[in-house]
Amino acid sequence: AQSVTQLDSQVPVFEEAPVELRCNYSSSVSVYLFWYVQYPNQGLQLLLKYLSGSTLVKGINGFEAEFNKSQTSFHLRKPSVHISDTAEYLCAVSRRTNAGKSTFGDGTTLTVKP
Amino acid sequence: KAGVTQTPRYLIKTRGQQVTLSCSPISGHRSVSWYQQTPGQGLQFLFEYFSETQRNKGNFPGRFSGRQFSNSRSEMNVSTLELGDSALYLCASSLETGGVDTQYFGPGTRLTVL
Repeated sequence: AQSVTQLDSQVPVFEEAPVELRCNYSSSVSVYLFWYVQYPNQGLQLLLKYLSGSTLVKGINGFEAEFNKSQTSFHLRKPSVHISDTAEYLCAVSRRTNAGKSTFGDGTTLTVKP
Repeated sequence: KAGVTQTPRYLIKTRGQQVTLSCSPISGHRSVSWYQQTPGQGLQFLFEYFSETQRNKGNFPGRFSGRQFSNSRSEMNVSTLELGDSALYLCASSLETGGVDTQYFGPGTRLTVL
């Protein structure tokens, strides 16, 4: 079985400041890793994913994440946030042999203040 | 291509009733997964269907069931509704090529049980 821990439930930051949202995972098998963004009353939009290869993954809206196998982490970063980045961010893992079943973290609410 | 669509978007039911939610995957996608999202439990995997067969199942009671049709559209049914079933139900589809894959989420159905 796998599990995901998002270390911060809420992250408030000022506009144009950098941000890091932390995600640790646990799994006995190889996994795929994902970050999703969810706006109120909407579904999930994929920000980025790590499948293999380079450990630094770039996604949409200026976000990037780094896969660290030794620390079993997949932290999400953005060098300068905007008001429009205010949303819920969810980290997820799925087994490489079963991509249709994902395990999600509890989410981190990012609030960008002017 | 059209995205994943879910109907209805909002639903209000009373305890003891049953409900059916519908999900139309992206054209060509063969895998459909269902998730329940609540403030207390986060996003939890319900089940996954692939080629009309249930391939994975989460830890939910038998009141929760689903099916997939030959055109890959899927329905989810909840019988004998309880107050705790109030949630956002999300459907996700994926191409399922047997290798690298990504889930695409619909906007969800907001179910309120009174």
